Amino acid sequence: DTGVSQNPRHKITKRGQNVTFRCDPISEHNRLYWYRQTLGQGPEFLTYFQNEAQLEKSRLLSDRFSAERPKGSFSTLEIQRTEQGDSAMYLCASSSTGGRGEKLFFGSGTQLSVL
Amino acid sequence: GENVEQHPSTLSVQEGDSAVIKCTYSDSASNYFPWYKQELGKGPQLIIDIRSNVGEKKDQRIAVTLNKTAKHFSLHITETQPEDSAVYFCAASSYNQGGKLIFGQGTELSVKP
Repeated sequence: DTGVSQNPRHKITKRGQNVTFRCDPISEHNRLYWYRQTLGQGPEFLTYFQNEAQLEKSRLLSDRFSAERPKGSFSTLEIQRTEQGDSAMYLCASSSTGGRGEKLFFGSGTQLSVL
Repeated sequence: GENVEQHPSTLSVQEGDSAVIKCTYSDSASNYFPWYKQELGKGPQLIIDIRSNVGEKKDQRIAVTLNKTAKHFSLHITETQPEDSAVYFCAASSYNQGGKLIFGQGTELSVKP
């Protein structure tokens, strides 16, 4: 399977703990996006990378959130001091900047529950 | 920034009927409009997309239309089948803004056998 891979699929944590999610994009894709989705809503943009550079961060990404893509391949999203309001599905997507195409392909997401 | 509105929020049809979902967008710079299908516990799956230089695109039972002047676009599914039941999202993006997608709120489509 050469699609976008996210781990773990589910994460349950206690309020105040730190959590880290991993995303492995489609191998030839140079752009990588993080989104957050709550129940009954569309995905909301958090941040994106082109290669290893983080080019944009949403105001939704508070200081407790940090994302990295150190070698321009996989990416991690860390949430420090989790709050109950952080409970959501965290989705990763990747795309290629080749041509005019910006088709985003999504992984299956990491479902975070903060107790 | 861009804002995408999607209607209806729920849609129930009989198998074999057609389904239409509509979206409006606010930013005239948006030039790419994909549609995603999301099944329970899965990530969104791209089903069809259209660019601003095209008015209509069709892929088997699925078609999308775009009216740039009115800033709205629609998804049409014909001959619906129970496996079409899912949540559908429209989205909009602008190539010169990094390609990030702004999504609508979603439409839960139920196809009754």
